[in-house]
Amino acid sequence: DIQMTQSPSSLSASVGDRVTITCRASQSVSRYLNWYQQKAGEAPKLLIYAASSLHSGVPSRFSGGDSGTDFTLTISSLQPEDIGTYFCQQTHSNPRTFGQGTKVEIE
Amino acid sequence: EVHLVESGGGLVQPGGSLRLSCAASGFTFSSYGMNWVRQAPGKGLECVSFITAGDTIYYADSVRGRFTISRDNARDSLHLQMNSLRDEDTAIYYCARTGDCNHGVCSDAFDIWGQGTMVTVSS
Repeated sequence: DIQMTQSPSSLSASVGDRVTITCRASQSVSRYLNWYQQKAGEAPKLLIYAASSLHSGVPSRFSGGDSGTDFTLTISSLQPEDIGTYFCQQTHSNPRTFGQGTKVEIE
Repeated sequence: EVHLVESGGGLVQPGGSLRLSCAASGFTFSSYGMNWVRQAPGKGLECVSFITAGDTIYYADSVRGRFTISRDNARDSLHLQMNSLRDEDTAIYYCARTGDCNHGVCSDAFDIWGQGTMVTVSS
C-alpha cells in the first residue's frame, strides 16, 4: 500500500497568515493526489484534485503544488471558516489511501 | 442539485450484519464510479470499497470476504452489505462519487460525499 504522510499533524495560525501543509507519498503517485477539507461534524469536501487543480466553488486562496512525491496545500490568507482538518489522498493505486490529517486552528 | 444520502446504520452486535444504502440524485448515477469510505471515531479516512461504472469492484483487505458492494442503476442507489461485523468496523460510513475528468485532467477524486451513517458494533 502507498503510505501518505502529512505534516504537521496540527497547526495554529492567525487570520491572514499563509499556511502550508505537506503530504509525502511513499512511492510515486504521479499527479493522482487530492486534498479534502473536513469541518467538525461534516463530511469531507474536495478542495484540490490532480495535485493543483481547484475544485469548482473552492476559494482561490487554496492552491496545490507538487515536487516529485512531495505535495503541498497552501492557504494564502487563512480565514476563520478554514478551521478544520485537511486530508491528502492518492488515487494512483489501490487501495486509495489518505494521509492522517492536519488539524488547522486559529490562534 | 447533486445529492448523496446514506441510510441503514445503527447498533449491531459483533458477528451481526447490516446493509447500508446510498441514494443518489441530481446526476446520471450509472455513469459514475462510487465508493464507501469510513471514519472511526476521532480517526482518519479509510476507503472500504468501490464499484466502477463498469461494475469493477475493489475491497480493502480489512473487509474483503465480509462486505459486499453493489449498485442498482435503475433505482440510483449504492449498497454495502456488511456481515461478520467486528468492533473495529465501528465508524461513520460515507458514500462518495468518483468525479469525472475535468478539461482533460483526471484524478479519480471523490467530488461528492454524503452526510454519512453511523455504524456501531458493540455487545
